[in-house]
Amino acid sequence: DVKVTQSSRYLVKRTGEKVFLECVQDMDHENMFWYRQDPGLGLRLIYFSYDVKMKEKGDIPEGYSVSREKKERFSLILESASTNQTSMYLCASSPPGGIPYNEQFFGPGTRLTVL
Amino acid sequence: KQEVTQIPAALSVPEGENLVLNCSFTDSAIYNLQWFRQDPGKGLTSLLLIQSSQREQTSGRLNASLDKSSGRSTLYIAASQPGDSATYLCAAYYGQNFVFGPGTRLSVLP
Repeated sequence: DVKVTQSSRYLVKRTGEKVFLECVQDMDHENMFWYRQDPGLGLRLIYFSYDVKMKEKGDIPEGYSVSREKKERFSLILESASTNQTSMYLCASSPPGGIPYNEQFFGPGTRLTVL
Repeated sequence: KQEVTQIPAALSVPEGENLVLNCSFTDSAIYNLQWFRQDPGKGLTSLLLIQSSQREQTSGRLNASLDKSSGRSTLYIAASQPGDSATYLCAAYYGQNFVFGPGTRLSVLP
């Protein structure tokens, strides 16, 4: 079974702190994604990566950056955390894009609170 | 713009009922459609994946159908149980990006 793990289930940070959220997958997937989920707004794509050192902006990249130095690991970085970044963050991975049998696998999520 | 909607937003049924959840997508050029389950405070668990060339997929008490021409997918849950209580999301895959619906929150009452 595909396993996607995230470094923390719950995280509390202060405004202005630099925050790192880590995601690791064990299925050699090329594609990795970071979403945030908020009540009433659903899942929104922040960034995705289709290969090592490659990244693409999603729908809401402002205030975030990402890093993909190894195929299995995709990091989300909040350079200076703000209260409006309090949210549930979900990481996902999938095989290469364009393949009809593509399927997305999610991690357990990180509930981030910024005070 | 590619959008996915789900109706109803919330549903409450007594145990044992059969039920249908609906998912609609505006752009019919999908590669596949995936149904997920999400328990409160948790990540998403994949339930079923329907390829664009398929009409339906089944897994246990779950059956998902896909009608690309009308831009609709349905998730049918047979003989519902309290353990089915969760939020159900659908996601359309367009070859590079996934577009998610807002979800249907299901409560199955014992």
